[in-house]
Amino acid sequence: GAVVSQHPSRVICKSGTSVKIECRSLDFQATTMFWYRQFPKKSLMLMATSNEGSKATYEQGVEKDKFLINHASLTLSTLTVTSAHPEDSSFYICSAATTGDSNSPLHFGNGTRLTVT
Amino acid sequence: GNSVTQMEGPVTLSEEAFLTINCTYTATGYPSLFWYVQYPGEGLQLLLKATKADDKGSNKGFEATYRKETTSFHLEKGSVQVSDSAVYFCALIYNFNKFYFGSGTKLNVKP
Repeated sequence: GAVVSQHPSRVICKSGTSVKIECRSLDFQATTMFWYRQFPKKSLMLMATSNEGSKATYEQGVEKDKFLINHASLTLSTLTVTSAHPEDSSFYICSAATTGDSNSPLHFGNGTRLTVT
Repeated sequence: GNSVTQMEGPVTLSEEAFLTINCTYTATGYPSLFWYVQYPGEGLQLLLKATKADDKGSNKGFEATYRKETTSFHLEKGSVQVSDSAVYFCALIYNFNKFYFGSGTKLNVKP
């Protein structure tokens, strides 16, 4: 149980275009999803916390106008990288927590490798 | 504040060797502790967890004990396999779903 599906797994786009990444909880409802960015040989950097039906909470230093997050339902959150540039190339990972348990581990998607040319 | 410190890698071992990856944490209160594993090109998978002091988490031959007195959660495995090659992340959760990750330790197991 607790499967998180992330799509696409890889995407290559041209500079200036926008890319949407989807994160779905397949067998549970997730009122909260998290978006991470992972740099080479670095740990995961939390970008934002996505709450169903409300605005996302962004971490300090993350541009909310560049990384648009929409959590339209209890099973779907999307991250849109707008006007992508080569420096946005990275591995993006979403995660979700089952509700009601503060000790509940996060369940992660398999990540999306974004390459901006 | 809350943080997690892991030993730097990469760690290179021969198959069947004993593995220890050190993890220490700082936290206010009593966090839950986790180890996640990331195989190449994939997301993170929960490996094991411990929610209170002296708890031992175990899975797939890996173990880690929540040591409050030393604020540690070291990962161990008695006999590693090539298939264990991955990056391992220590993490703690505090204040409901606020996760703090260590920097990750890459493990290379050679046949």
